[in-house]
Parts: sequence; structure tokens; C-alpha cells
Amino acid sequence: EPEVTQTPSHQVTQMGQEVILRCVPISNHLYFYWYRQILGQKVEFLVSFYNNEISEKSEIFDDQFSVERPDGSNFTLKIRSTKLEDSAMYFCASSPYYEQYFGPGTRLTVT
Amino acid sequence: AQTVTQSQPEMSVQEAETVTLSCTYDTSESDYYLFWYKQPPSRQMILVIRQEAYKQQNATENRFSVNFQKAAKSFSLKISDSQLGDAAMYFCAYRSGFGNEKLTFGTGTRLTIIP
Repeated sequence: EPEVTQTPSHQVTQMGQEVILRCVPISNHLYFYWYRQILGQKVEFLVSFYNNEISEKSEIFDDQFSVERPDGSNFTLKIRSTKLEDSAMYFCASSPYYEQYFGPGTRLTVT
Repeated sequence: AQTVTQSQPEMSVQEAETVTLSCTYDTSESDYYLFWYKQPPSRQMILVIRQEAYKQQNATENRFSVNFQKAAKSFSLKISDSQLGDAAMYFCAYRSGFGNEKLTFGTGTRLTIIP
């Protein structure tokens, strides 16, 4: 059964550094999402992406964040200058229409 | 904006028994979808069950079923014959029926299975 994959599983970075989180959505899905979950809290929407452009973004998704689908298969989330409060689990999801399937997540630790 | 409320932070159930997790939501929309996701200790988000608002029949997936009360805006998850592998955080989620819409999650219920 096709799955969403994410790399790396765990990323440790220093404050102020740039990180790129990678996702490979399920191949025939058209809609892509990033969510984050701070430890012990609920899952929060960051951004949705369709037809090579952002469909919607949340208040969290400020100028430090960007998304890209560089080669038709990968879907990336970039954080330009990480802050301590960016430490969280980041989930990628893809959808054929209304059901969203999540990847295993990337745990980002900012020190 | 839509909101999703899970009022039970923690629940426990004896193995093989039945447990019901509660979820309420607030929306002014008529077309939407509701989901339950399971998050085990690995923190993977696993889709358990979905319900389309336009369907009156409650969704069922093996041991998992929902009680969807549209007028009351209630969407509870019933787990029958609880198994040790059901231990996890369970999140209720709402999605608008219009276009490419995000999921709005509740705060989750941690389910413990007592052997």
C-alpha cells in the first residue's frame, strides 16, 4: 500500500540555521499539506499546496517558512532561520481529495 | 472558524471491553467531513475512520464505529473489543467540504488499555 514518506526522521539544528524537511507524497495525490505538533499539543495546520502553489496558509506560516515541489515528486518545507519555538514534530500529508494520509513525521529539535 | 473539542484528555478501558471517545465541533457549514486519527507512541498519524456529513448512516471500520449526531454536532468514536494495540492518542478532526481544505484537530484523548 502506498505511503507518504518523510526525511529525516529526526533533525537537530542550532537556532538561526536553515532546515529543509522533505516529503514524498503518494504518487497520484494532488493536494499536499504540512502540519506541526508541538510536544503534548494538538496538530496544527501550516500550509496547503495544490497545482504548484500555496492554497492556504496559517498564521504560523510566516516569512520564515516556504514550501516547494521541486521535481514533481518531493514536497519540501524550508525554515530559513530556526527559532527555539520551532521545535516540534512536522507532518506532511497528501490527499486525493478529502482524506488526508500522513507521513511518519520529522522531529525537529532546535538548540 | 470551525472548532473541534475533545473533552476527555484521558480514558482507560479493560482489554476486550468497549470504550467511547467524545468529540464535538462547531461549524456553520452544511457540507463537511469528520475523521478520527490514531497517534501511537511512534507519533505517526493513522486514519481510523471518516464520516461524510451528508450521510445519515454511521461509519464503521471493523471494531471502530462512530455515532454521528449532526444536529448536536457530536461525533463520538466507539472501539469494541479493545486490544492492547489500540493504546494511543486519538484525535478528532474536521474538514470543510469545499475545495482543498485543511484539517482542524481537537486536543486529543489519550486511551490506555488495561490488560
